[in-house]
Amino acid sequence: EVQLVESGGGLVQPGRSLKLSCVASGFTFSNYGMNWIRQAPGKGLEWVAYISSGSSYIYYAETVKGRFTISRDNAKNTLYLQMTSLRSEDTALYYCARDYYSSYTPNWFAYWGQGTLVTVSS
Amino acid sequence: DVVLTQTPVSLSVTLGDQASISCRSSQSLEYSDGYTYLEWYLQKPGQSPQLLIYEVSNRFSGVPDRFIGSGSGTDFTLKISRVEPEDLGVYYCFQATHDPYTFGAGTKLELK
Repeated sequence: EVQLVESGGGLVQPGRSLKLSCVASGFTFSNYGMNWIRQAPGKGLEWVAYISSGSSYIYYAETVKGRFTISRDNAKNTLYLQMTSLRSEDTALYYCARDYYSSYTPNWFAYWGQGTLVTVSS
Repeated sequence: DVVLTQTPVSLSVTLGDQASISCRSSQSLEYSDGYTYLEWYLQKPGQSPQLLIYEVSNRFSGVPDRFIGSGSGTDFTLKISRVEPEDLGVYYCFQATHDPYTFGAGTKLELK
């Protein structure tokens, strides 16, 4: 069974940094692209970042480009999101989601974690 | 960035009715390989989103055939025939054709 478990969320002051993790199990992690998708409280979904299976292809939403860095450690079956210069508008539930098939762009988010909540506030 | 405009924002239905949701893109979503990377997701209350439709009209594994996706270019539609209680929630379209990739703002399907 595919499982994605996010962690690392919490309360952080504006301008500070935070690193999220997503531990994967139930599949060969190194074979699939991964994504971070967020949802502000009471709002819709926003795609944040994508990383291909071998980390060769990485894409970001304009709202986080230059501040967030997606990475992965295939030996540890773990996806990361390093977030810097955090703003109040980054407050959201952050989901990791697995692509359905191996490619160089996001595709078919068939598997999602339960999310980890990031709150940016002084 | 590609903007996906979903209408209506909310939709009140009676169980057994048909529901129709529109997703209009600011640019054509047909990729250079000939495929159109438009997907539909449903987020039920308190749950993570789930994939319903990929590449405009293909139902994902286990999705009932009452969910029908259609469209091309910039105009797309999700139809739900005979709405059932488990269909209630917020529906999102998503485009994976143009970087950066984007979701629509969502359409809330609720009971009348």
